[in-house]
Amino acid sequence: SQQGEEDPQALSIQEGENATMNCSYKTSINNLQWYRQNSGRGLVHLILIRSNEREKHSGRLRVTLDTSKKSSSLLITASRAADTASYFCATPMDSSYKLIFGSGTRLLVRP
Amino acid sequence: NAGVTQTPKFQVLKTGQSMTLQCAQDMNHNSMYWYRQDPGMGLRLIYYSASEGTTDKGEVPNGYNVSRLNKREFSLRLESAAPSQTSVYFCASSEARQGGSPLHFGNGTRLTVT
Repeated sequence: SQQGEEDPQALSIQEGENATMNCSYKTSINNLQWYRQNSGRGLVHLILIRSNEREKHSGRLRVTLDTSKKSSSLLITASRAADTASYFCATPMDSSYKLIFGSGTRLLVRP
Repeated sequence: NAGVTQTPKFQVLKTGQSMTLQCAQDMNHNSMYWYRQDPGMGLRLIYYSASEGTTDKGEVPNGYNVSRLNKREFSLRLESAAPSQTSVYFCASSEARQGGSPLHFGNGTRLTVT
């Protein structure tokens, strides 16, 4: 069974709009990570947020973490066509270094 | 700087054949991972290696074996391939710091079992 689940499964927006993706997980974690995957490629790490952090920024990306609700969100502001990709959250399995991925959100940014 | 290199990029096998997927990293990372990704789905962890000489099962280890040859290399072996193992296989590595470390991924091996 997967630890993290993203919502929505697919999202289509216009260039310039903001995109929000959510991730829910089941057990206590010490960190949560977000990754991007362009079609046919490997995953690329975006942001890591630790359990004692509530919000983290990186360029146009903002990640929040609510450990009481066991959820995280990824906000991409002022989206571009190049942001079209699948986005995955990942959390540790069994308090280990093993990372378990959700099923992802497919984002389409229309020019 | 190559990062994580996987070979081969593509492979077609017949049911029952065996093969080894190779992975090497040049970032001096302790931890290495093998994942599989089926169409439209997320990644599922097959095996994990915390350090040279150690391996641990992930979510879907059945039908696979691994070998952590040295710090750089982590191979995945299919002893008797089955059509259900048709997938894209990704290798990854990380520093494995306390509190979490990002994973660095290779570009994948696309395997088809007929």
